[in-house]
This record gives sequence, structure tokens and C-alpha cells, in this order.
Amino acid sequence: EDQVTQSPEALRLQEGESSSLNCSYTVSGLRGLFWYRQDPGKGPEFLFTLYSAGEEKEKERLKATLTKKESFLHITAPKPEDSATYLCAVLGQGAQKLVFGQGTRLTINP
Amino acid sequence: NAGVMQNPRHLVRRRGQEARLRCSPMKGHSHVYWYRQLPEEGLKFMVYLQKENIIDESGMPKERFSAEFPKEGPSILRIQQVVRGDSAAYFCASSPRGQGAGNQPQHFGDGTRLSIL
Repeated sequence: EDQVTQSPEALRLQEGESSSLNCSYTVSGLRGLFWYRQDPGKGPEFLFTLYSAGEEKEKERLKATLTKKESFLHITAPKPEDSATYLCAVLGQGAQKLVFGQGTRLTINP
Repeated sequence: NAGVMQNPRHLVRRRGQEARLRCSPMKGHSHVYWYRQLPEEGLKFMVYLQKENIIDESGMPKERFSAEFPKEGPSILRIQQVVRGDSAAYFCASSPRGQGAGNQPQHFGDGTRLSIL
């Protein structure tokens, strides 16, 4: 069974303090790893798709990387508006559904 | 999350009543997915539908839950004889093609928050 584990569960940073969120996964044939951002009371908002080990994607202060066992979401010089829950999900071979991790709740203090 | 429209945003039901949740996919999308998010838990897949077809309902409870996506109109998730444990946020997502035809991301609506009294 495909599984996704995210760490830490919660992370509190000062504005400008860079850090990384981790997503470890086990999947039978990875077809895609997805990062989403979720604000309170809202649905997940798509950020990135990664397909193969070594791939990297960037968007503003966020950069996602992928290895054969895990993905990292690096956040550089974060701002308070980056506060949200970040979700990681995988799509396995032959699957139609995303398998999500529990998420990392990120808080950026001004 | 503009594009995928879910209604109602909040729904309150008493135990034993029926709940109907609606989802209109993004324009041009013909594939719909329903997920449930329980308090303090992650998103869990329930069902995947195309127009007039249920493709995968492996995550949906066998009793009281049903889903449809008719040729015309929104997708409906129906919960009969609701119980307190059904209280959750229900999210709908859509994609232009199925995940088997490409790894295109699913785009989510803002969910329906169901509360059972």
C-alpha cells in the first residue's frame, strides 16, 4: 500500500528564516509526487509536480526536490503570507487516486 | 481555488438525515474525485468518476454513501442516514483527463464542511 509521511507536523519560523519540509514515501512505481498548499477553510492549492529523482521545481520562495525515497520543500526567506499547511501526495503505478500525507503546518512570525 | 465549485460550503444535518454535496468541476474537466478530511487527519480518497461512470470507489464506505456524475449537471456525493462520525470536510477535485492518461494535477474546490448534530 502506498504511504506518505510528512515531517515535522508543525514548524514555526521567524520571517526570513529558511528551512525545509520533508515528505517520505513508499509507492509501487511513482508516477508523480505533488505538493499542495492549504489555507484554513480552503481547499488544497496546487504548487508542484515532480516525476523523477533529481528533478527540481521552483516558484517564488519555494523549491521542491525529489529523490527515490523522499521529497523536500525548501522555503527561502519566508514571509508571514507563506503560513499555511503544506501537503504532499503521491500517485502510484496504475492508480487513479492521490495518497496524501498528514501535512506540515507552517507558521511564519513577523 | 477558482474553478472547482462546491456547495454548500457548510451543511448541518441531524443524525438520520440525508446529506447531498455538490461539485461542479473546472471548465473543460470531465474527471471528478472526492476526498474526505477528518479532523486532525489527512485527505483520504473516496471515489473517482467520469461522466455517467464510477471508475474507482475503493475508498468509499459500502453502506450509506453513493456518488454520481450525470451527463448534465454537477457531481453529487450523497450520504444517507448520517451519523456523528460523518462530520468532516469533503473536498472535490477535477482534472481534464484521468490520471492514467497523464500525471496532470488535480485541482480542488474549497470543500463542504458537514456537521452532524
